[in-house]
Amino acid sequence: AQSVAQPEDQVNVAEGNPLTVKCTYSVSGNPYLFWYVQYPNRGLQFLLKYITGDNLVKGSYGFEAEFNKSQTSFHLKKPSALVSDSALYFCAVRDMNGNNRLAFGKGNQVVVIP
Amino acid sequence: KAGVTQTPRYLIKTRGQQVTLSCSPISGHRSVSWYQQTPGQGLQFLFEYFSETQRNKGNFPGRFSGRQFSNSRSEMNVSTLELGDSALYLCASSRTGNEGTEAFFGQGTRLTVV
Repeated sequence: AQSVAQPEDQVNVAEGNPLTVKCTYSVSGNPYLFWYVQYPNRGLQFLLKYITGDNLVKGSYGFEAEFNKSQTSFHLKKPSALVSDSALYFCAVRDMNGNNRLAFGKGNQVVVIP
Repeated sequence: KAGVTQTPRYLIKTRGQQVTLSCSPISGHRSVSWYQQTPGQGLQFLFEYFSETQRNKGNFPGRFSGRQFSNSRSEMNVSTLELGDSALYLCASSRTGNEGTEAFFGQGTRLTVV
């Protein structure tokens, strides 16, 4: 079964500094990978996905993610963090075996300090 | 374009009662999935419907059920509520339901069982 690990509970970063949120995955075959963000009392907002092709994927709000097959990682990055980026970030994976369910990591709380 | 709409936003129920939650997907989306989010278990997949058929089901007891209508709107039902069913229930829709398409989430229904 597919699974995702987000090793850090919370990521603190100063405003203007680079932001990285880590994600590693386990799946049979090639993965479909997603990042979502959740603000308090809201649903999940889609940020970006990796399906195939270029390992660097660009998404919404200046976020990007790098797929690394050998390290089974899909880290989310933003060159310059904003206070408004403070939220809960989830990495998710689907496998290619006809199973449409998303397996989510536990989430990372990002706190951007002014 | 309207997003995924979930009703109601908040519910308070008593143990032993049953509850029905509703989800209207984005227009043109035929796949609807449901997830349960709790602080302890994170985001867990409940089930997925596509063209009125349940395609996938997560590891939840039979008290949790769902259905999808011909207009793609979906409902989920929880019978004989337990305190542990208190959670944020999220609905997600996607256009085709295949593995590479991203899912768009509603704001969720916050269920509290007392």
